[in-house]
Amino acid sequence: EAGVVQSPRYKIIEKKQPVAFWCNPISGHNTLYWYRQNLGQGPELLIRYENEEAVDDSQLPKDRFSAERLKGVDSTLKIQPAELGDSAVYLCASQRVFSTDTQYFGPGTRLTVL
Amino acid sequence: KQEVTQIPAALSVPEGENLVLNCSFTDSAIYNLQWFRQDPGKGLTSLLLIQSSQREQTSGRLNASLDKSSGRSTLYIAASQPGDSATYLCAVRLYGGANNLFFGTGTRLTVIP
Repeated sequence: EAGVVQSPRYKIIEKKQPVAFWCNPISGHNTLYWYRQNLGQGPELLIRYENEEAVDDSQLPKDRFSAERLKGVDSTLKIQPAELGDSAVYLCASQRVFSTDTQYFGPGTRLTVL
Repeated sequence: KQEVTQIPAALSVPEGENLVLNCSFTDSAIYNLQWFRQDPGKGLTSLLLIQSSQREQTSGRLNASLDKSSGRSTLYIAASQPGDSATYLCAVRLYGGANNLFFGTGTRLTVIP
């Protein structure tokens, strides 16, 4: 079974530029999460999807961040414009819906904003 | 808001030693608690998941315990190996329908050959 796929793995941009991250969850997993992990910290939830619906986006900075999950499979997280403080690792995770199963994490995208 | 704390932040031990990692949480109304491992440049891998009704879970050389009343969990690693070197994170899931996990800051473990 293929794991959660994320791309790109690394991204370096200048501040005020836009950036997008892509995630492909494990097949059959209806729940998808985006987390941000700052250096030396644990991941913090940005947004959670159940199929194509964003059911929890309370931690998403909506002035510059947006996300979508068309057709309830792949998801894209966008930042526009990026700020220096956005430098972090962005992790995607998926899970079978309404289960006590664990979340399965992708390798993450390391973003550096200069 | 649930606060999850892990102590120590970093730990170095010689190979073969048994060790304990600690995790504490402020809200005891948890649904379950998980221990994850994170290797540099990689995502998180689930090691053990303890439901709120359980006291411990074991997998190989790993044993995780849960004491909800005191808001604590420990991860015991027996006979440590250099391959165990990684950052270990605990995370709690609360009751209420949400699947959201609250993570600790992690303990960076180095096992010295």
